[in-house]
Amino acid sequence: GAGVSQTPSNKVTEKGKYVELRCDPISGHTALYWYRQSLGQGPEFLIYFQGTGAADDSGLPNDRFFAVRPEGSVSTLKIQRTERGDSAVYLCASSLAVNTGELFFGEGSRLTVL
Amino acid sequence: AQKITQTQPGMFVQEKEAVTLDCTYDTSDPSYGLFWYKQPSSGEMIFLIYQGSYDQQNATEGRYSLNFQKARKSANLVISASQLGDSAMYFCAMRIIQGAQKLVFGQGTRLTINP
Repeated sequence: GAGVSQTPSNKVTEKGKYVELRCDPISGHTALYWYRQSLGQGPEFLIYFQGTGAADDSGLPNDRFFAVRPEGSVSTLKIQRTERGDSAVYLCASSLAVNTGELFFGEGSRLTVL
Repeated sequence: AQKITQTQPGMFVQEKEAVTLDCTYDTSDPSYGLFWYKQPSSGEMIFLIYQGSYDQQNATEGRYSLNFQKARKSANLVISASQLGDSAMYFCAMRIIQGAQKLVFGQGTRLTINP
């Protein structure tokens, strides 16, 4: 596709369940970012990948959160033992190069933990 | 550490008027980039304009311009001739060119254009 694609667009789950959110970046973009946006707030950095490796995971809130990008393209954000406080919109973005250039965002995955 | 501050939670402007959205930033790095994004109710983040810290001239993109005052560490967004479709959340963001690559966002300003 032409833009960053995120699935699912909406996910409702129960507290304690495991969730996977997928991001398909723009073809050829080597840098991929995950952000979390709570209601009324700006996006909060979670992790970014340069190629297959996580170059900076300093924003992951705790060890329940994990992300992978095994082939340097699609990325999956994994959340274990979900809590109500994990409810937010999870945004994925990609860029052509890490040092320069704008980030192109997907429309996000809205996660609701009941 | 990088920090972005947007002090206007909401702005209301009449259609066709110009509007300035405030953004101040804090960093000790000399090399950085400043971004503005628009987020309509649909949720997507739309890139508007970019200013590099070493750029001599203020960035402009159509009706958008960035009033970059380096000494004051401010990067205000100016929208000329506002339109109803400009109603959205606007986020200022910064990225250090070397070292940490993450884009740090402010809290945002909700802009409402009145007919």
